[in-house]
Amino acid sequence: EVQLVESGGTVVQPGGSLRLSCVASGFAFEHHTMHWLRQAPGKGLEWISLITWNGDADTTHYADSVTGRFTISRDNSKNSLYLHMHSLRIEDTAFYYCAKDFTVYSIGGYFDSWGQGSLVTVSS
Amino acid sequence: EIVMTQSPATLSVSPGQRASLSCKASQSVSGNLAWYQQKPGQPPRLLIYGASTRAPAIPARFSGSGSGTEFTLTISSLQSEDFAVYFCQQYVDWPRTFGQGTKVELK
Repeated sequence: EVQLVESGGTVVQPGGSLRLSCVASGFAFEHHTMHWLRQAPGKGLEWISLITWNGDADTTHYADSVTGRFTISRDNSKNSLYLHMHSLRIEDTAFYYCAKDFTVYSIGGYFDSWGQGSLVTVSS
Repeated sequence: EIVMTQSPATLSVSPGQRASLSCKASQSVSGNLAWYQQKPGQPPRLLIYGASTRAPAIPARFSGSGSGTEFTLTISSLQSEDFAVYFCQQYVDWPRTFGQGTKVELK
């Protein structure tokens, strides 16, 4: 069974930093592109970042809303995905989901497994 | 970016009835369209990809159609567990974008 478990969400002040983690199990993590998405409470879904299966620095993508502030990384030896968040803003308040790309060794950009989400609240 | 627009915002349906949800893209996405279901307190679940292919373990009462800019998700006979919010998503261009969702509620 595929499992994705996020952690690290908490309350942080505007301008602060945070690192989210996602531990994967039940599938060949190193074969899949992984993504972070977010959803403000009661709102819609926003894709924010991806990292390809091999995790090269030049194979990451970001939404404009987080470019320059967030960094995605992965450690295939630990089946783990990370999101390093800096210069946090009130509008970054959301549930953050890690999600598995449906395709293998490519970037399909649609998501067949999601974690339960980790809530990040940016507030003074 | 490609803007995805869903209608209606809310659909009131009785159990056993058919539900049709619409999704329109601001430019052609060909067949690169996925549908998700989300229940309160849960993450989204992939229902359909490639506009019309059901994801594994998705019941046959869910079907998708369309191409280009207009798509439809049909639930042939609503079950109690189908009352939820449904999102469409394009995956032809970056950033991947979602519609704002259609809530299917009990009539």
